[in-house]
Amino acid sequence: EAQVTQNPRYLITVTGKKLTVTCSQNMNHEYMSWYRQDPGLGLRQIYYSMNVEVTDKGDVPEGYKVSRKEKRNFPLILESPSPNQTSLYFCASARPSALSYEQYFGPGTRLTVT
Amino acid sequence: SQQGEEDPQALSIQEGENATMNCSYKTSINNLQWYRQNSGRGLVHLILIRSNEREKHSGRLRVTLDTSKKSSSLLITASRAADTASYFCATVQTGANNLFFGTGTRLTIIP
Repeated sequence: EAQVTQNPRYLITVTGKKLTVTCSQNMNHEYMSWYRQDPGLGLRQIYYSMNVEVTDKGDVPEGYKVSRKEKRNFPLILESPSPNQTSLYFCASARPSALSYEQYFGPGTRLTVT
Repeated sequence: SQQGEEDPQALSIQEGENATMNCSYKTSINNLQWYRQNSGRGLVHLILIRSNEREKHSGRLRVTLDTSKKSSSLLITASRAADTASYFCATVQTGANNLFFGTGTRLTIIP
């Protein structure tokens, strides 16, 4: 089954404790992206990657890191989480072409930083 | 910065009625997409309309695009309880490599 998986689905952590949220897709998609969703703000892009070893900042990259060493994986790293990073996080993937960026989303990771 | 803005923010209608949501955006685009999100879950792609298209249909969905007004609408006909969800428009700006989402319309279908 074609899908995007994220782990963990729920995470409660404390300020400053480094964490990684994994994202994996089995559709051989070149494009992958991370979003955060907050009430009243919709989805905001954190980072995206057009292909292996190519990453770019989105709208809200501060406090986050990513890496794209393999095509299928795109982990999101919070080196020193803070309470303002409490949010619902989504990973997505797509096979980009000039005119189509239909994205496939993972189930989400609900992060709480205390 | 967010590209799309949906209107209304929330909409409640009776089952069987039609639901219309609007999206406005700010810059030129390659395409505009609509997604659905059931509460707290991942988004699901509904339909994509390219900048050179004016109308597109998919089942009970009808999407229009007016690039002169920088706006789009999503019509869901003969609504069902299962259509209760949040709906987001998202745009791929001309020359860009990513998708910008609006803040969404929360649709509630009353049985």
